[in-house]
Amino acid sequence: AQTVTQSQPEMSVQEAETVTLSCTYDTSENNYYLFWYKQPPSRQMILVIRQEAYKQQNATENRFSVNFQKAAKSFSLKISDSQLGDTAMYFCAFMRGYNAGGTSYGKLTFGQGTILTVHP
Amino acid sequence: EAGVTQFPSHSVIEKGQTVTLRCDPISGHDNLYWYRRVMGKEIKFLLHFVKESKQDESGMPNNRFLAERTGGTYSTLKVQPAELEDSGVYFCASSQYKGVLNTEAFFGQGTRLTVV
Repeated sequence: AQTVTQSQPEMSVQEAETVTLSCTYDTSENNYYLFWYKQPPSRQMILVIRQEAYKQQNATENRFSVNFQKAAKSFSLKISDSQLGDTAMYFCAFMRGYNAGGTSYGKLTFGQGTILTVHP
Repeated sequence: EAGVTQFPSHSVIEKGQTVTLRCDPISGHDNLYWYRRVMGKEIKFLLHFVKESKQDESGMPNNRFLAERTGGTYSTLKVQPAELEDSGVYFCASSQYKGVLNTEAFFGQGTRLTVV
C-alpha cells in the first residue's frame, strides 16, 4: 500500500515571497504519478501540477514548480511570487501508473493536507 | 462545460437517519470516484466506477454505505443508517483516460455531512 505524508499542517507566507510545501511518500511501485491539488476555501479542488515518476525533469506550471527526488521519495511544491489567491488547502497525492497492475487505475492516495495562508 | 457537481453542499442529519449524496460527473467521463475526508484526517478513497460498474470498492467503510451509478451517468452514495463517525466531507471526482494515458481527475466541491 502507498502512503503520502505532509508534515506541515499549516504554513504562511507574505505576498510576493516564495514558499515550499513538503510531501513524502512511500511505495514499492516504479511507475506512478504525483500531484499537488489546491482547494480554496469553500471551493472545489483543482489540480495544480503533476509529475510522472519516469521523468527526471521537475514539472513547472507558471509560478508553481516541484522538486521531485525519486530516490528519497520526496515531492515538494514551490510557489514563487505568492499571491493572495494562493491561500488554500494543498494536498499532495499519489497514483499508481497504468502498467502497475490492479483494477483501480486512477485512484488517488492523499496526504493530510497543508493549509497555506498568504498575507498581504 | 459544466464541472463535477455534487448535491447537497451541506447536510445535517440525526444519527440513524438515511442520507443520499449525489454526484454528476463531467459529461462523457467514464471514471467516477468517491472520496471522504473525516475531520482533520486525509482524504480517503471509497470507491471507483467505470461507467456503471464498480471497479473497486475496497475503501467503503461498511455495509451501511451503498453506491450506485445507474446508466453510467450520475452516481449516488447512500448512508443508511448514518452514524456519528460518518461525518465529514464527501468528494466526487471524474476522469476520462485515453488508452494508456492518464487524464486529470476533476473534483466536485464536496458534500459536508454532519451526523448529530
